[in-house]
This record gives sequence, C-alpha cells and structure tokens, in this order.
Amino acid sequence: DIQMTQSPSTLSASVGDRVTITCRASQSISNWLAWYQQKPGKAPKLLIYKASSLESGVPSRFSGSGSGTQFTLTISSLQPDDFATYYCQQYNAYSPTWTFGQGTKVEIK
Amino acid sequence: LQLLESGPGLVKPSETLSLTCTVSGGSISINSYYWGWIRQPPGKGLEWIASIYYSGSTYYNPSLKSRVTISVDTSKDQFSLKLSSVTAADTALYYCARHPYSRSAMDVWGQGTTVTVSS
Repeated sequence: DIQMTQSPSTLSASVGDRVTITCRASQSISNWLAWYQQKPGKAPKLLIYKASSLESGVPSRFSGSGSGTQFTLTISSLQPDDFATYYCQQYNAYSPTWTFGQGTKVEIK
Repeated sequence: LQLLESGPGLVKPSETLSLTCTVSGGSISINSYYWGWIRQPPGKGLEWIASIYYSGSTYYNPSLKSRVTISVDTSKDQFSLKLSSVTAADTALYYCARHPYSRSAMDVWGQGTTVTVSS
C-alpha cells in the first residue's frame, strides 16, 4: 500500500502570508496527486488535481507542484477564507486505490 | 450534478451498514467516471472506502476489503455501500463522491451522512 505523509499537521499563519504544505508518498505516484480544502461541517472541495492542475473556479493563489514522491500545495497570499484543513490524496494507478494524507490545519496566527 | 447520501443514522454493533448515493442532474452511466465512498470519523481525517467504475469494476481499501461491498443500480442512478460487522470504529460521516478517470480526484461530493454504531 502507498502511504502518504503530510506536513505540517498544523500551521499558524497570518493573512497575506505565503503558505506551503508538503505531501510525500511512500513510492512514486507520478503526478496522481490531488489537494482538497475542507471547512468544518462541509464536504471537501477539490483544489488541485494531477499535482498541478487548478480546478475550475479555484482562485489562482492556490498552486500545486511536484511529481514522483514529493508534492507541495502553495497558497501565495493567505486570505481569511483560506483558514481550513487541507488534505492531499494519491491515486495508485497500478492497483487502483486512493489514499488521503492526514491533513494540515491552517490556523490564524 | 448533485449527490445525496441516504441510509440509517444508527446501526448496531456486528450488523451491516447500508448506504445509498443518489445522483441527480446527470447519469451514473457516463463513460470514464468512478463513483466512490469516503468516510471521516469524528475529529479525524478522510479515509477512502471503495469505488466503482462506470463499467462495474470495483475497487476497495485493502484495510476494509473483507467487509465492504459497493454496487451500482444504473436504472436508478444510484450506487450503494454495504459494510458488514460494524463496530464503534465505523462511526463516521460518510460521503459519496464522483471522480473522473482522467483526474482520479473527487470533484463532486455529497453533503455526507452521519452513521453512528451503537447498541
């Protein structure tokens, strides 16, 4: 099974900060990596798919990068609406399964 | 496209949890989509449970595979989840979601339904 390690688990930041969240896969997953934002009491919202493709309607301050085993979600200038929990999710194309990272909670500093 | 989960909110230990996801505003038979179930225990992260491809192929989380069945009813635009021998550890918010093959990411989610396992 492919394991996903997401860091940090909690991040304290201020409005306007540049924020980076990292996700590492236990083996190469090419670019089959997605990022989600989840707010309390709500379903997750897809932000990024295939490592760096921005989902329609998602602000351009969100970006994704990486391939293989190391991936990054960057928020270029944190906005009040961005305080939430973020999850990465991998897809194993060889034995179709999907795995989520543990999540990163972005809190107000 | 909208997805709506339905099913009992309370299940007794050792019994089978059954949930249905109804797809509206589109067809479940559309080429190249997976339809899946994801759960989230209270205060914890997301866990993928199972997915079914439009063709009927099924995929399961290895840690749950022995207890899970996913199926689809194309005539009703519904897909379903059965989880047997439940324990308190299966108490969670259960989501259904669509994930296109080309993205392999869940782009449309239901609102979720809470299932509590308790006697």
